Amino acid sequence: NAGVTQTPKFQVLKTGQSMTLQCAQDMNHEYMSWYRQDPGMGLRLIHYSVGAGITDQGEVPNGYNVSRSTTEDFPLRLLSAAPSQTSVYFCASTKVWGTEAFFGQGTRLTVV
Amino acid sequence: EDQVTQSPEALRLQEGESSSLNCSYTVSGLRGLFWYRQDPGKGPEFLFTLYSAGEEKEKERLKATLTKKESFLHITAPKPEDSATYLCAVAARGGGSNYKLTFGKGTLLTVNP
Repeated sequence: NAGVTQTPKFQVLKTGQSMTLQCAQDMNHEYMSWYRQDPGMGLRLIHYSVGAGITDQGEVPNGYNVSRSTTEDFPLRLLSAAPSQTSVYFCASTKVWGTEAFFGQGTRLTVV
Repeated sequence: EDQVTQSPEALRLQEGESSSLNCSYTVSGLRGLFWYRQDPGKGPEFLFTLYSAGEEKEKERLKATLTKKESFLHITAPKPEDSATYLCAVAARGGGSNYKLTFGKGTLLTVNP
């Protein structure tokens, strides 16, 4: 099993560009989430999904969009990148809420 | 608002010098408390889940305990390979019937040989 796979690992964007961060899991988990990690701020929840077709906002959703068309995939879209979105992004999945979450290796995004 | 506070922010130990990391939390409807290890440039790696006060979990040199307001991660006779950032997180009931995971800022542990 690959677990949670994120692509790309590194990305540099110019302000105003759009892009999609990919996340896929092969564990048949219902719950998937996106976090960003910034120095001194810890991990903060951006968006999450409790199943295919169901998504909701987390703590810091502005500037990000998500959809969940399949159980396996949960892409995160940046519609118009801003320097404030420079961060490390992690995708996570959980089989049953309240049990452990498994994380991908992260995407380091720089917006210039 | 749910809060998770970890202390100390950084801890430097000599190899073999045992110590503890603290995670205090304020949440409504605690579902579970989790400890993770994060190495530089990597995603968090799951270590333990604790569900109720009094519960303890062990793995090699690590032991996690839980009370009603805090959790401790005890490190016995640490080795340099235990150096990492240790993250604490709680799963609590959020809005409606959905749950959310709240993380502390982590403790950076350095173990010197």
